[in-house]
Amino acid sequence: AQTVTQSQPEMSVQEAETVTLSCTYDTSESDYYLFWYKQPPSRQMILVIRQEAYKQQNATENRFSVNFQKAAKSFSLKISDSQLGDAAMYFCAYRGDSNYQLIWGAGTKLIIKP
Amino acid sequence: ETGVTQTPRHLVMGMTNKKSLKCEQHLGHNAMYWYKQSAKKPLELMFVYNFKEQTENNSVPSRFSPECPNSSHLFLHLHTLQPEDSALYLCASSQPAQASGPGKETQYFGPGTRLLVL
Repeated sequence: AQTVTQSQPEMSVQEAETVTLSCTYDTSESDYYLFWYKQPPSRQMILVIRQEAYKQQNATENRFSVNFQKAAKSFSLKISDSQLGDAAMYFCAYRGDSNYQLIWGAGTKLIIKP
Repeated sequence: ETGVTQTPRHLVMGMTNKKSLKCEQHLGHNAMYWYKQSAKKPLELMFVYNFKEQTENNSVPSRFSPECPNSSHLFLHLHTLQPEDSALYLCASSQPAQASGPGKETQYFGPGTRLLVL
């Protein structure tokens, strides 16, 4: 069975600095998708970035980028130039190509210090 | 973000009440999901509908009854709930499992309904 692990329950970063959130996963599938979702205090779950496993190039979305290491089964999220609005719970999620269910990590609470 | 809407946003109910949660998506998707999010726990998938047909029921108690009258609407009917059912209930939608093309696998979420059972 697939699992997703986020080993950092909480992270803090100074505003304008860079922070990296860790995520590892376990799977025997070769084709799959990985996601980072953000859940601010409003509780809305918002897609931050997604990565297809067959793509070697790391996905980027403005200040958000990932470091996808397929062999190591690692999928970390880097947030550059952190802003106060980035404060939220960040969830890593996995979806196999043959199954549309998402497997979720436990989340990392990101605190931005002004 | 108005692609997926949920009502009500907050609900307080007694254990003997019957209430319903509503989800509506305006994204043209054909798969819809109910999740439960409790404090200190990962999201739990409850139900999945694919083209209005229920394809997943993750051992959810019968006091939760889903309904999907069409691809745009999803309901969760609640009856004789327990205090431990208090949680955030999230609805999501995506392209159906059979879809192809980029982005087909991405789920988009509504704002959730915060439920408190007394």
